[in-house]
Amino acid sequence: DAKTTQPNSMESNEEEPVHLPCNHSTISGTDYIHWYRQLPSQGPEYVIHGLTSNVNNRMASLAIAEDRKSSTLILHRATLRDAAVYYCSRQGGGGADGLTFGKGTHLIIQP
Amino acid sequence: EAGVAQSPRYKIIEKRQSVAFWCNPISGHATLYWYQQILGQGPKLLIQFQNNGVVDDSQLPKDRFSAERLKGVDSTLKIQPAKLEDSAVYLCATGTGNSPLHFGNGTRLTVT
Repeated sequence: DAKTTQPNSMESNEEEPVHLPCNHSTISGTDYIHWYRQLPSQGPEYVIHGLTSNVNNRMASLAIAEDRKSSTLILHRATLRDAAVYYCSRQGGGGADGLTFGKGTHLIIQP
Repeated sequence: EAGVAQSPRYKIIEKRQSVAFWCNPISGHATLYWYQQILGQGPKLLIQFQNNGVVDDSQLPKDRFSAERLKGVDSTLKIQPAKLEDSAVYLCATGTGNSPLHFGNGTRLTVT
C-alpha cells in the first residue's frame, strides 16, 4: 500500500509562507499527488494536484521532488482562514482511481 | 453550481441496527466515491462507482456494508448490522475524468 506520511501538526504566523511536507516514497510512476484541506464539520476541499512538474494555482503551489518521493505544499501568505487539516494523497490508475489519504497535518495559524 | 448533497447530516443508532446514507452528486459527475473517516484519521475509500457500475469495492466490508447507484446518479450506502467501530463520518465525493474531487459535508454516524 503506497502510503503518504506527513507531520501531525505545524504552526505558522499569519502573513508568512507555510511549507507543508509530504513523503510518498513508494509512489508509482502514474500516481498523481493531490492536496486537500478540511475544516471541522466539512468535507475535504481540493487545493492542488500534480504529477511530475511543479504546479501553481490561486490557492497554493506544489513543489514535487525530482524523484517524486516527496512533495511540498506552499501557502505563500497564510491567513487565519488557512487553518485546517491538510491531506497529502495519491491517486493511482493515471488519475482514474480513488484517492488514498494520509493522516494529515493540522496547520495552526497564529495571528 | 450546486455541491454534493448528503443526508442525513447526523445519525445515532444502536449496535445491530441498520442505517442508510444518501448522496446526490454534482450534475454530470460520472464517478462517485464513498469514504469512511474515523475521528482523527484521513478518509478511507470504501467504494468507487463509474456511472452505475462498481469500479473498486476492495475495502468495503461486504458482510455488513452495501452500496448502490441506480441510474448512475444518486447513491445510497447501507450498513446492516452496525457495529460500534462503524462510528465515523461517511463522505460522498464525485468527479469527472481527471478533475479534482468534490466532497459533500458527510453524515456523522454514532453507534451506541
